[in-house]
Amino acid sequence: NAGVTQTPKFQVLKTGQSMTLQCAQDMNHEYMSWYRQDPGMGLRLIHYSVGAGITDQGEVPNGYNVSRSTTEDFPLRLLSAAPSQTSVYFCASRPRDRGTNEKLFFGSGTQLSVL
Amino acid sequence: AQSVSQHNHHVILSEAASLELGCNYSYGGTVNLFWYVQYPGQHLQLLLKYFSGDPLVKGIKGFEAEFIKSKFSFNLRKPSVQWSDTAEYFCAVNGYAGSYQLTFGKGTKLSVIP
Repeated sequence: NAGVTQTPKFQVLKTGQSMTLQCAQDMNHEYMSWYRQDPGMGLRLIHYSVGAGITDQGEVPNGYNVSRSTTEDFPLRLLSAAPSQTSVYFCASRPRDRGTNEKLFFGSGTQLSVL
Repeated sequence: AQSVSQHNHHVILSEAASLELGCNYSYGGTVNLFWYVQYPGQHLQLLLKYFSGDPLVKGIKGFEAEFIKSKFSFNLRKPSVQWSDTAEYFCAVNGYAGSYQLTFGKGTKLSVIP
């Protein structure tokens, strides 16, 4: 199993550009989520999904869209990038049916810079 | 809403010193508590977790944490740190059954000096 795979690892955007951060997992996990990590702020939840076709907002959803058409994929879209979205983005997943005490499996992150 | 507070932003220790990182959460009901570690340049990994039973939880690499319900705390400890423990440590809480939202603290950066 590859686990949670994120692409790209690095990306530089200009203000106003759009892009999609990809996240795929091969563990058949129902739950997937996106976090952003900023210095001194820890990890903040952007969006999450508990299964295909179901998404919900986290703590900081503004400026981001998600969709979940398959169990495996959970892309994060930036429609119009802003410098405030410069951050490191982590995708994470875990199985749903074993309850909320299960650990999250994290991807290796995407470092995004918006100029 | 659930929240997590980590008291120390940056801790600097010498090798063999003892470590205690503070974590307090706010939530009135049943909680699941986690400590994650992020080594330089790597993604987060689970260090240990508590969801029921013995409030003293042992994790990997000699770490342990104690859940004290009356204090809403879940402090991380290690009796003797090593240089390889240099990392950022995140406490996280999942506040109630059925919720899939894991709330993280802001993290504590640990630097261990050889």
